[in-house]
Amino acid sequence: GEDVEQSLFLSVREGDSSVINCTYTDSSSTYLYWYKQEPGAGLQLLTYIFSNMDMKQDQRLTVLLNKKDKHLSLRIADTQTGDSAIYFCAETPYSSASKIIFGSGTRLSIRP
Amino acid sequence: ETGVTQTPRHLVMGMTNKKSLKCEQHLGHNAMYWYKQSAKKPLELMFVYNFKEQTENNSVPSRFSPECPNSSHLFLHLHTLQPEDSALYLCASSQEETSGRHEQFFGPGTRLTVL
Repeated sequence: GEDVEQSLFLSVREGDSSVINCTYTDSSSTYLYWYKQEPGAGLQLLTYIFSNMDMKQDQRLTVLLNKKDKHLSLRIADTQTGDSAIYFCAETPYSSASKIIFGSGTRLSIRP
Repeated sequence: ETGVTQTPRHLVMGMTNKKSLKCEQHLGHNAMYWYKQSAKKPLELMFVYNFKEQTENNSVPSRFSPECPNSSHLFLHLHTLQPEDSALYLCASSQEETSGRHEQFFGPGTRLTVL
């Protein structure tokens, strides 16, 4: 089946790097995504990676994909208070291109 | 105009009431979605509409009734709800690309409280 798992909470100090991890079960996933949800708002796509890539960098964000272990991570460099949010890992399964399977979300909190 | 709008933003209703949630997308997308977000199950897909046709119903109770009159509008009609239906209801839209990449654009949600 299709399942995406994440840890629920992460706390980091302002200025440090945050690493949010995710595992998924569908080895034929085509695209994997990171979405961000700020308080009182809907989800917003942060970045995505195609399944034949192993790394993607976009300013402070680095996505690493280990297809063998079905592990996806999001690194946020120089974490700021504005990065406080819930981060959702998600995948498009090969079996259903019109659907996205979301993880449970990781709540990132920043301490001074 | 914001991409995906939802009204109302907050709704309090009794178990015997009938109400509707509205979603509108201004992005020219062909697919729309309803999700339920609660503390127990963070993000549950409820319904998917493609070109106004329902393509997915994720075993949602019949007290939730979706309606998609055109590809820009999506409604969720509510009746005889239970307190456990209290949650944030999120609408999203997407346009599937030939590459298979699939980005969903979300509205801000309707915070529903059932008394």
